[in-house]
Amino acid sequence: QQQVKQSPQSLIVQKGGIPIINCAYENTAFDYFPWYQQFPGKGPALLIAIRPDVSEKKEGRFTISFNKSAKQFSLHIMDSQPGDSATYFCAASRNQAGTALIFGKGTTLSVSS
Amino acid sequence: DAGITQSPRHKVTETGTPVTLRCHQTENHRYMYWYRQDPGHGLRLIHYSYGVKDTDKGEVSDGYSVSRSKTEDFLLTLESATSSQTSVYFCAISAKTSGSDEQFFGPGTRLTVL
Repeated sequence: QQQVKQSPQSLIVQKGGIPIINCAYENTAFDYFPWYQQFPGKGPALLIAIRPDVSEKKEGRFTISFNKSAKQFSLHIMDSQPGDSATYFCAASRNQAGTALIFGKGTTLSVSS
Repeated sequence: DAGITQSPRHKVTETGTPVTLRCHQTENHRYMYWYRQDPGHGLRLIHYSYGVKDTDKGEVSDGYSVSRSKTEDFLLTLESATSSQTSVYFCAISAKTSGSDEQFFGPGTRLTVL
């Protein structure tokens, strides 16, 4: 019940394309769903996060879609750029300090120019 | 990196030796965490702290201990390092932003146990 399943494992898109990364969770107690972006040799950086009271959240070119009944959420990157090439992790937790983030295994995105 | 530094950034050690990794934060955050990152596993919580001298175990705590004697420092110790502890270790803090308790990560320590 603690797992977060992330797909695909890797993704290659052309510049301007819209990569979509999907995650599914099992624990219905989770109420906080962040996405992290990680470049080689760096720590994960919080990109965008959503709570289950909304079905979509946009920040710049990044959009999270959330489907509570299906227990799924996804990240869309609009007008992708080569600089977006990185590893993306979804995570889930109860929104409470001291609670572990349960991470997906990551998606390596390559955006070709 | 949310005012988080980790030291050392890289370390190579031998099986059976003790190793201590340090996480230092400058913004007086109450909650601090240690995660490890391994290929195919994402990040997994080792231990966390909710205040000075207050710590608790995470998912993968076996073989690790932690200490927090000051708000700003959270130490992770491998009492007797094993090759299975070769990993990248990340420290994180919790900060409340936009109504959510969000975690921000440090730059990481790459540990190799030979």
